Amino acid sequence: GESVGLHLPTLSVQEGDNSIINCAYSNSASDYFIWYKQESGKGPQFIIDIRSNMDKRQGQRVTVLLNKTVKHLSLQIAATQPGDSAVYFCAEWGNDYKLSFGAGTTVTVRA
Amino acid sequence: NAGVMQNPRHLVRRRGQEARLRCSPVKGHSHVYWYRQLPEEGLKFMVYLQKENIIDESGMPKERFSAEFPKEGPSILRIQQVVRGDSAAYFCASSLRTGAHNEQFFGPGTRLTVL
Repeated sequence: GESVGLHLPTLSVQEGDNSIINCAYSNSASDYFIWYKQESGKGPQFIIDIRSNMDKRQGQRVTVLLNKTVKHLSLQIAATQPGDSAVYFCAEWGNDYKLSFGAGTTVTVRA
Repeated sequence: NAGVMQNPRHLVRRRGQEARLRCSPVKGHSHVYWYRQLPEEGLKFMVYLQKENIIDESGMPKERFSAEFPKEGPSILRIQQVVRGDSAAYFCASSLRTGAHNEQFFGPGTRLTVL
């Protein structure tokens, strides 16, 4: 079946270091991907998105890379801060309105 | 400038009882989506509604679950005769327009625990 998934369930990173979170997808027809951040007890919060006609997109301290050849997506967080501790999900648009989420990577920032 | 609101935030029910989860979308949004999140998993689509209409309920179990979005008032997700497997976080999202690339704004979720 088609799915969106993540390589690692947890990531521990030292404050100030860069974080890289990976995601693999299997639906080659997907044309739009989103990274969400979910803090404890809260709903998912949009971080950044990327369309399939792009390889890279940058935001504030975050960069998303898309490799369509191997169907791989990554989120890079520069200078990770304690407030970045959360669960990160990649998601793809299925049809017009259904978001398909991966299982998530829990990022823990060490002081 | 209120975002999506959900209540209750936490709900405890015994097996066989009914659970009602409410969602008030962002003001002006007429598209509502419900997702379920089991522990250690990502969100799974359940149902998509517009005002007074169910557009797609393909992700919602056919028995015991129902959803509505009346002309006035919040969207309601109703689970009848709850079982332990219904324990999860239920998230509502809303959007101004539908279709890919129209951002869905998520509420804080309702965490349902079935004893």
